[in-house]
Amino acid sequence: EIVLTQSPATLSLSPGERGTLSCRASQSVSSYLAWYQQKPGQAPRLLIYDASNRGTGIPARFSGSGSGTDFTLTISSLEAEDFAVYYCQQRSNWPYTFGQGTKLEIK
Amino acid sequence: EVQLLESGGGLVQPGGSLRLSCAASGFTFSSYAMSWVRQTPGKGLEWVSGISGGGDSAFYADSVKGRFTISRDSSTNTLYLQMDSLRGDDTAVYYCAKASHIGMGVLDYWGQGTLVTVSS
Repeated sequence: EIVLTQSPATLSLSPGERGTLSCRASQSVSSYLAWYQQKPGQAPRLLIYDASNRGTGIPARFSGSGSGTDFTLTISSLEAEDFAVYYCQQRSNWPYTFGQGTKLEIK
Repeated sequence: EVQLLESGGGLVQPGGSLRLSCAASGFTFSSYAMSWVRQTPGKGLEWVSGISGGGDSAFYADSVKGRFTISRDSSTNTLYLQMDSLRGDDTAVYYCAKASHIGMGVLDYWGQGTLVTVSS
């Protein structure tokens, strides 16, 4: 099973700042990595798939990069609604797995 | 508008059974793979099971293999998860999710979730 490790566990930033979240895979997942956002009491929402492709309706301030084992989700200028938990997920090998999440909180 | 509405969660005793349903609308159900994903505070998100659009291929996490069965009914646009021999560590919020056109591994729409509690 591929293990995804996200860092940091918690990121404290202010609105308008740039947010950089990391995800490292225990073995190569090529570009088969997605990012999801989850707010309290809600289901996860697809942000990025295949490392760098934005999902439908996702604002351009969200971008993804990386391949192999190291991936990054960047939020260029944080808005109030971006403070949430972010998960990475791989679809390279079954079982598909998720990272443990990064909580992005307001500083 | 894509909608996924789960039902069937609740309290069940260890060793018991439960069947979850997910009513889908707003898309051509038979054209897309579907999955069940569960979430607990301790273990986070876990992909439980997935099924192809035609229903001919199904995948299970090792933790549920042999106990859970995923199925779908295209005549009613409904996804199911039959859960047998339930254990305490199956307690979670269970989400139904639709795969994107990319394939089963990208989930572009999720339901609101249904809580399953396994306890005596």
